[in-house]
Order: sequence, then C-alpha cells, then structure tokens
Amino acid sequence: AQRVTQPEKLLSVFKGAPVELKCNYSYSGSPELFWYVQYSRQRLQLLLRHISRESIKGFTADLNKGETSFHLKKPFAQEEDSAMYYCALLISSGSARQLTFGSGTQLTVLP
Amino acid sequence: KAGVTQTPRYLIKTRGQQVTLSCSPISGHRSVSWYQQTPGQGLQFLFEYFSETQRNKGNFPGRFSGRQFSNSRSEMNVSTLELGDSALYLCASSFLAPNEQFFGPGTRLTVL
Repeated sequence: AQRVTQPEKLLSVFKGAPVELKCNYSYSGSPELFWYVQYSRQRLQLLLRHISRESIKGFTADLNKGETSFHLKKPFAQEEDSAMYYCALLISSGSARQLTFGSGTQLTVLP
Repeated sequence: KAGVTQTPRYLIKTRGQQVTLSCSPISGHRSVSWYQQTPGQGLQFLFEYFSETQRNKGNFPGRFSGRQFSNSRSEMNVSTLELGDSALYLCASSFLAPNEQFFGPGTRLTVL
C-alpha cells in the first residue's frame, strides 16, 4: 500500500533546540516528497520539496530511500516555527497523480 | 498574483440536503484538486481536475462529485448530506501536475 506515516502527532521542543519531524513512506515507484506547513489561522502552504534540496526557513529534509524516510530537520527551533507540519507523497499512476498526506505533526516551540 | 479562493467560507446544512462548493484557482493554473480535512482522518484526496477532465478520484462515494470549467474554476457537489460529511473542504491548484500545490482557505461545512 502507498502511504505516508508521521508517527508523532505532537512534538514540543524548547527555543534554540534542534527539531526533527519524522516522515516515513511506502511507495513502489520513484518517490517525490514534500513538506507542507499550516501556521495558526493560515492556509496550508508548501514548505519544501525533496527534488530541490533547498533549505527554507532553516529547515532541510533529505530523502533516504534505504530507510524510506524524509525527515524534516532544523538545528535551532524558533517560536515562529510552531505549526502543523504535513509530509506528502506524490503518487503517480499513468496520467493520474495525487498527493497523499501524512496525518500531520503539531510542533510547539516553547520559549 | 491572487491566491486560490473558495466560496462560501462557511456552510451549515441539514442531513439529506445537497451542497455546492466553488474554487477559483490561481490564474494560469489548470490543475485543481479537492481534499476533505477532518480531525480523525486528516487530509483525504477527493479528486483532481485538469482541463475540464477528472484525472483522478479518491476513495469517496458517488455522492461526491465535481467539475471544472473552461476558465479552470472548479465546483464540487455533495448530495444527500450525512453527518459525517462535516469537514473542512480544501481546494488546491497547480500549474500542470498536482505536485506543488497552492491551497485555498477552505470551506467549513457543518451538517446538522
């Protein structure tokens, strides 16, 4: 089955501490993965995608095909990082494509 | 560039009624996807439209349907509403493929 698993529903860290949000996937094809973020009272928005290998707002994510993981990391968490984070996998079947989302992790950065 | 807009933002309906939700994508975007978001199930894919054709459909009953117009605006319809249809319905648009999607604010549907 093709799915995305985010094992932590809630995650709290102190400001300045490192943070890692876990994401594991199951997919028979070549994976294309994303992290989306939803800040309080804002709409869901793309944070980063694995193919660009970029760092956004200090966050990075590396695709590990051996461990089928795409964990999101930031070395020093800030209070403004508090949000709901979703890992998403693009599933392709012929011309049909859809994003499958994990259940999300609510990150709280404590002062 | 204006973002994805959804109307109405809030709806209250009773069981058995039907509802139509509307989504206007970002100008130039031709792919529109719909999702249902609930606390228990998270984000569930409903369907995706591209150039007025349904390209993909999620695992939802036939009561859920949609369409896309020539200007890429999309509507989704839910007939014979059930209590379990209460959810936030999100629309997202992208240029061609539904990978880097831009989301609307959602329509909060409450079924009484």
